[in-house]
Formats: sequence, structure tokens, C-alpha cells
Amino acid sequence: KQEVTQIPAALSVPEGENLVLNCSFTDSAIYNLQWFRQDPGKGLTSLLLIQSSQREQTSGRLNASLDKSSGRSTLYIAASQPGDSATYLCAVEVQGAQKLVFGQGTRLTINP
Amino acid sequence: EAGVVQSPRYKIIEKKQPVAFWCNPISGHNTLYWYLQNLGQGPELLIRYENEEAVDDSQLPKDRFSAERLKGVDSTLKIQPAELGDSAVYLCASGKTGAPYEQYFGPGTRLTVT
Repeated sequence: KQEVTQIPAALSVPEGENLVLNCSFTDSAIYNLQWFRQDPGKGLTSLLLIQSSQREQTSGRLNASLDKSSGRSTLYIAASQPGDSATYLCAVEVQGAQKLVFGQGTRLTINP
Repeated sequence: EAGVVQSPRYKIIEKKQPVAFWCNPISGHNTLYWYLQNLGQGPELLIRYENEEAVDDSQLPKDRFSAERLKGVDSTLKIQPAELGDSAVYLCASGKTGAPYEQYFGPGTRLTVT
């Protein structure tokens, strides 16, 4: 059974810092990996999707990497801003099941 | 393009009462998902539809939960009777059939059972 773990559960950093969020998964048989953002009381917004054949994806100040063999992904946020404060969720698409398995999320706070 | 629409956004009911949630997916999306999200946790899949067919309902507690997607567009998720432990956010997502299986989420319905 696929399990996804995110560390840390919460992170607080001052504005302007670069930071890394971590995600690990137990079964490398994935179709893709997605990073989502969730604001309080809101749904999920997809930030980046990495296909299993890819190593990384970039969008603006965000860069996500994928190492399938070690079961790890990182989300790098450059020059953090208070507006980046949210919960970040990692999810893997289970191969053959068309089903997302989520981690529990990292609650990020950027302090002005 | 309009996103996934869910209603109601919030619902408070007493235990043992029935409740229903509605979802309208993005136009043209054949696949529809219902997820359950408990506080501080990631969403967990309840059911996935391909058009009007429920292709994965293995995680749906069928003794009290039911879902339908008539005509392969809108979907309704029902709980009867609700229990205290059902308090959570119910998320609907939709996507196109086939790679890259990207899912688009609605704002969710926050259910509180008292």
C-alpha cells in the first residue's frame, strides 16, 4: 500500500528566505507526483506536476524535483513571501489505479 | 473556464440526520472524484467515476454513504445517517480521461455533525 509522508508538519520562516519542503513515498510505481497548495477553508490548487519520467519541474519561484528510485520529492520555494503562507500537499498518482495518495501536508508560515 | 463547483460550502447537522453534497465538474471532464479530508490530514479518495460509472468505490463506506453521477456530469454524495466522525471537508475533483491524469479540485463542503 502506497504511503506518502511529508516532513516537517509545520514550518515558519522569515520573508525572503529560500526553503525546501520534503515528501517521501514508499512505492516507486507511480505515474506522476503533484504538489498542491491549500489555503484555509479553500480547495486544492495544483502547483506542479512531475511525470514519472521527469526529474523536475519549475514554475516561477517554485521548483519541484523527483527521485523515483529513492522515493523522494522536494519543493523548493525561492525568495519566500507572506503570500506563500499555506499548507502544501504532495500527492502521488498510483500506477494503474488513477488515484492520488496524499501526504498529510506541511503548514508553511512566512513571517513579514 | 469555470472551475469545479460544490455546494453547499458549509453544512451543520445533528447526528443521525441525512446530508447531501453536490458537485458540478469542469465542462468536458469525464472523470470525477470525491475525497474526504479530515482536519490536519491529506484528502483520501472515496469514489471515482468515469462518465456515469463508478470505477473505484473501494474506500466508500457503503453502509451509510452513497453517490451517484446521473448523465455523467453532476454528482451527488449522500450520507445517511450521519455520525459525529463524519465531520470533515468533502472535496470534489474532476479531470480528463488519460494522461497526465491531472485533477482539479473544488472548494469543498465543510460538514459539522453535532
